Amino acid sequence: NAGVTQTPKFRILKIGQSMTLQCTQDMNHNYMYWYRQDPGMGLKLIYYSVGAGITDKGEVPNGYNVSRSTTEDFPLRLELAAPSQTSVYFCASSPSGSGETQYFGPGTRLLVL
Amino acid sequence: AQSVTQLDSHVSVSEGTPVLLRCNYSSSYSPSLFWYVQHPNKGLQLLLKYTSAATLVKGINGFEAEFKKSETSFHLTKPSAHMSDAAEYFCVVSGPSGSARQLTFGSGTQLTVLP
Repeated sequence: NAGVTQTPKFRILKIGQSMTLQCTQDMNHNYMYWYRQDPGMGLKLIYYSVGAGITDKGEVPNGYNVSRSTTEDFPLRLELAAPSQTSVYFCASSPSGSGETQYFGPGTRLLVL
Repeated sequence: AQSVTQLDSHVSVSEGTPVLLRCNYSSSYSPSLFWYVQHPNKGLQLLLKYTSAATLVKGINGFEAEFKKSETSFHLTKPSAHMSDAAEYFCVVSGPSGSARQLTFGSGTQLTVLP
């Protein structure tokens, strides 16, 4: 199993540009999550999904959108990039909800200039 | 509501000496608690988790943590530090079953291991 994979590893965006961060898991997990990690901080939940076709907001959803058309994929979209979105983004998955171990991808480092 | 406080942002130990990373939590229900480790430029890896079974939890790479409800603590320990333990460690508290969004991360403790 590859586990959770994320692409790209690193990206530089100009203010106002858009992009999609890709996340795929091959563990047949129902739950998937997107987090951002700012320097010196813990992870903050952006969006999560409990299954295909079902998504919900986390703690910091503004400026982002998600979709979940398949169990495997959970892309995160930035429509109008802003400097405040400079961060490291982690995707994670788990078999079910709270109390279950989450498995993390390697992260995408995003710089918005 | 739930919260996590990691009491030290940086901890420095010599190789071969004990490691103690401190974590206090606040929760209005019986939480699940985790410790994750993040090596530079890597994703997070689970070290161990507590889910209301034994209060002393053993994890990978010789780490263990003790859940103390009376002290609302979940400190991470290791008897003898190794150079490869140098990383950032996160204490995480999880909400009740079914509440996927209620996962709260501490701000992290950077562990440095000196030769």
